[in-house]
Amino acid sequence: GAGVSQTPSNKVTEKGKYVELRCDPISGHTALYWYRQSLGQGPEFLIYFQGTGAADDSGLPNDRFFAVRPEGSVSTLKIQRTERGDSAVYLCASSLGALSSYNEQFFGPGTRLTVL
Amino acid sequence: GNSVTQMEGPVTLSEEAFLTINCTYTATGYPSLFWYVQYPGEGLQLLLKATKADDKGSNKGFEATYRKETTSFHLEKGSVQVSDSAVYFCALKNYGGATNKLIFGTGTLLAVQP
Repeated sequence: GAGVSQTPSNKVTEKGKYVELRCDPISGHTALYWYRQSLGQGPEFLIYFQGTGAADDSGLPNDRFFAVRPEGSVSTLKIQRTERGDSAVYLCASSLGALSSYNEQFFGPGTRLTVL
Repeated sequence: GNSVTQMEGPVTLSEEAFLTINCTYTATGYPSLFWYVQYPGEGLQLLLKATKADDKGSNKGFEATYRKETTSFHLEKGSVQVSDSAVYFCALKNYGGATNKLIFGTGTLLAVQP
């Protein structure tokens, strides 16, 4: 496909469990971003990768959240010991590069995480 | 810090009415400004953008002008259609350092009735 894809589209888990959310960026996009969108709110930045490295992880709320991008393409957001407050839609976006003002971020459809 | 404030919704209009959704921002430096749209059941899409003061972004009949003096980027459309019903997000991106993140407002739901 031509766009950003995210799997699963929906994830229901129990409090305390571990979850992994996957993002497949647009081919050739070196920059990848994760955002979290709570109900009735705008997306909030979590982490930004340039290639394989996390260039900015200042938005990760605590050490239960971790993300990787080992080969500079697919990324996985990992949440340990999930809490009910983690319930949200997790959005992934990618762009051609990093710091140019013309590098539009293309968003995936999101993964809706529900923690019971 | 950097932030975006946009008018609360929902905004309910009749078809062909004039639309304004207000957006103001706080930022250090000179951010780029964006409007994103989220149609029902779809992902966020970039609607328009402006990268410097006095620039006007436009797309699909929507317009917004980057006003540095009032730190605003209000979204307007002269004649809305039912198909414009969606949630609209104002956002900014500041440059410098290692970050390339977007900072979003809370979103405004627009409902257009036939």
